[in-house]
Amino acid sequence: AQSVTQLDSQVPVFEEAPVELRCNYSSSVSVYLFWYVQYPNQGLQLLLKYLSGSTLVKGINGFEAEFNKSQTSFHLRKPSVHISDTAEYFCAVREGSQGNLIFGKGTKLSVKP
Amino acid sequence: KAGVTQTPRYLIKTRGQQVTLSCSPISGHRSVSWYQQTPGQGLQFLFEYFSETQRNKGNFPGRFSGRQFSNSRSEMNVSTLELGDSALYLCASSNIRSSYNEQFFGPGTRLTVL
Repeated sequence: AQSVTQLDSQVPVFEEAPVELRCNYSSSVSVYLFWYVQYPNQGLQLLLKYLSGSTLVKGINGFEAEFNKSQTSFHLRKPSVHISDTAEYFCAVREGSQGNLIFGKGTKLSVKP
Repeated sequence: KAGVTQTPRYLIKTRGQQVTLSCSPISGHRSVSWYQQTPGQGLQFLFEYFSETQRNKGNFPGRFSGRQFSNSRSEMNVSTLELGDSALYLCASSNIRSSYNEQFFGPGTRLTVL
């Protein structure tokens, strides 16, 4: 069965510092991988996705993620964060294009001035 | 193009009551999925509807049900509410013709059960 583990529930970081939010998944088949962001009192917005091809994917707001099949990881990175990046970030996996989305528990990113 | 809309945004009910939440998908999207978000369990898949038929179902009791209308709008119903049903309920719509079925989420309905 699929599962997604986000290793850090909270990540505090200073403005303009780099950040990495970690995500590991387990699945016996090929998967599609996603990162979503949720701002307070809002729904989820897709940041980026890995479907196939290049293992380094770039998303919106300067975020990028690297798919590592051998380590079953899909870590999210940003070289320099802004106060406005403060939000909760969710990693998700789907088996195939029509399977259900399975989410991790989320990582709360807190950017301090 | 308007996004996914959910009504109501906030709801307060008491134990034992039932509740109906509504979701209007993005125009042209025929698939609607529902998720429950709680601090303890995170985001959990409830069910997915496509063309008025339930296509997938998560691991929730039968008190949770849904339906989809011919215009793709969807409703979910929770009967005999329990305190543990307090959560943010998110709806997502997708155009399944896309290669990876990207889901677009609404703002959610926050249900509080007293």
